[in-house]
Amino acid sequence: QQPVQSPQAVILREGEDAVINCSSSKALYSVHWYRQKHGEAPVFLMILLKGGEQKGHDKISASFNEKKQQSSLYLTASQLSYSGTYFCGTQPINAGNNRKLIWGLGTSLAVNP
Amino acid sequence: DGGITQSPKYLFRKEGQNVTLSCEQNLNHDAMYWYRQDPGQGLRLIYYSQIVNDFQKGDIAEGYSVSREKKESFPLTVTSAQKNPTAFYLCASSKRQGGQETQYFGPGTRLLVL
Repeated sequence: QQPVQSPQAVILREGEDAVINCSSSKALYSVHWYRQKHGEAPVFLMILLKGGEQKGHDKISASFNEKKQQSSLYLTASQLSYSGTYFCGTQPINAGNNRKLIWGLGTSLAVNP
Repeated sequence: DGGITQSPKYLFRKEGQNVTLSCEQNLNHDAMYWYRQDPGQGLRLIYYSQIVNDFQKGDIAEGYSVSREKKESFPLTVTSAQKNPTAFYLCASSKRQGGQETQYFGPGTRLLVL
């Protein structure tokens, strides 16, 4: 039931690109992406909805493949500030009035100079 | 400024003691959540509430209790029954708007056992 995030960890040099995937075994209504820096709270990045378009701001974007029930987060020309742990939270289509998210275990991203 | 506040930032618990973590929001959100995070781990849901005077157990509710007497407040009590309470506790809130719902997190409370 828990979505699977891959890779578990990635190390980049500043300026390199990365892709983080979030795959679910359930049909999804939405996928939520967050970044958490060490010792801080998760910060919302973006939400992808079923039938919606690819989202993005600055050099971080995301897509949602409904056929595969997979969302991908794209980080281009990475900056030092991108370092942290990225979590996806998913909401199944059949959740009804249950509004809780089902979270992946996170992907640790380190950007080095 | 609207937001979510959690207090205290650090909390120390003695053996056999109950402690209460505060979570307040002024975002007019109807849903609130409590998560536990252990070092290097993901977010585990303890309790959540979608409306005042109602709440549901999450995945790891044993040893914890909550109340939701006001829309703005969702305190979490860590009871003596919780044998391993050392963790980072995060409170979040959300509101459904236009088919979308985003959870926003407070700064967290770090609980340590003496």
